[in-house]
Amino acid sequence: KAGVTQTPRYLIKTRGQQVTLSCSPISGHRSVSWYQQTPGQGLQFLFEYFSETQRNKGNFPGRFSGRQFSNSRSEMNVSTLELGDSALYLCASSPRTGEGETQYFGPGTRLLVL
Amino acid sequence: AQSVTQLDSQVPVFEEAPVELRCNYSSSVSVYLFWYVQYPNQGLQLLLKYLSGSTLVESINGFEAEFNKSQTSFHLRKPSVHISDTAEYFCAVVRTGNTPLVFGKGTRLSVIA
Repeated sequence: KAGVTQTPRYLIKTRGQQVTLSCSPISGHRSVSWYQQTPGQGLQFLFEYFSETQRNKGNFPGRFSGRQFSNSRSEMNVSTLELGDSALYLCASSPRTGEGETQYFGPGTRLLVL
Repeated sequence: AQSVTQLDSQVPVFEEAPVELRCNYSSSVSVYLFWYVQYPNQGLQLLLKYLSGSTLVESINGFEAEFNKSQTSFHLRKPSVHISDTAEYFCAVVRTGNTPLVFGKGTRLSVIA
């Protein structure tokens, strides 16, 4: 099976712009989670979607939003970008939702905000 | 809320030497524990996980971790490391009951020839 794919892999934006990142989970996986990875804060959970419904949300401002489509593909959007949003954004999928599920990570989208 | 502390941010070790990467968590309820590895320019991959049963869990590439409930620890060990083990290792914990995975800050393992 193909792994989790994320597009684009690299992105440069300026402050105030908005950005949309895309994630295609492993075929058959219905849960998609998003994480932000920075050198200072490490990996922080953004949100999880399962069957097009948001199950959990991390402690991020409302500028960060996401959605999941009926084919389990997911997008996350960041509006009014700030310099501090520069990070590696990782998407992970799992077959089901649940605490014991193994998450399969994509390679990430590296976002640089100037 | 649970938290995860990885006590060492960087661990240099010579090839074929043993290594231990330390992880402590704080939670007053039942948890599941994970170790993930991130190779350069890649996403994270599961190394091993503890859900229940035997407190010693092993991975296919020689790593093992032991769940110690009394010390709230889940240290990762390997008796003999290889150059290819150079990577960043993340400990993660999730509390039972619809809560997200919480990661530690990571430990960068550098294996020296």
